[in-house]
Amino acid sequence: AQSVAQPEDQVNVAEGNPLTVKCTYSVSGNPYLFWYVQYPNRGLQFLLKYITGDNLVKGSYGFEAEFNKSQTSFHLKKPSALVSDSALYFCAVIQRAGYSTLTFGKGTMLLVSP
Amino acid sequence: EAGVAQSPRYKIIEKRQSVAFWCNPISGHATLYWYQQILGQGPKLLIQFQNNGVVDDSQLPKDRFSAERLKGVDSTLKIQPAKLEDSAVYLCASGSGLFSYEQYFGPGTRLTVT
Repeated sequence: AQSVAQPEDQVNVAEGNPLTVKCTYSVSGNPYLFWYVQYPNRGLQFLLKYITGDNLVKGSYGFEAEFNKSQTSFHLKKPSALVSDSALYFCAVIQRAGYSTLTFGKGTMLLVSP
Repeated sequence: EAGVAQSPRYKIIEKRQSVAFWCNPISGHATLYWYQQILGQGPKLLIQFQNNGVVDDSQLPKDRFSAERLKGVDSTLKIQPAKLEDSAVYLCASGSGLFSYEQYFGPGTRLTVT
């Protein structure tokens, strides 16, 4: 069975500082990995995905994520945080074979202070 | 391009009552998903359609939940009878195909069962 762990319920960072939101996964075989963001009273928005190729993936709004197979991690990063980045972030995984059924982590709240 | 539409946005019912949610996916998207998001948790897939056929309903509580996607476009999710533990946000998402992997989410319906 596939699963995702987001070990931090909340991450606090000052505007302008780099941010990292952690994610580890467990699947049999090679994973497809995703990050989604959820703003208040809005649906989830796709940020980025890793399917194959370069381990560093760039996505929307200046976010990037690094796939690390040995550590089974897919941490979300941004070099300089903005107050408007404050939101709930979800990591998700699909086992490579089979249908496009996402398994989500429980989410990490990112709070960026001015 | 119009996004995924859902209605109603909010619904309050008493336990043992019935409720229905409606979803209109992005035009041309063959795959449609219904998720349940309980407060503090990530979304959990309830059912996945490919056109008007069910691909995965393994996590749908079939004794009380039902869903249909007539004509392969709009979809409705019904709960009858509702229980207190059904209080959650119900998210609809669509994708262009079984292996497109990027899902586009609607704003969700927040259900409160009292």
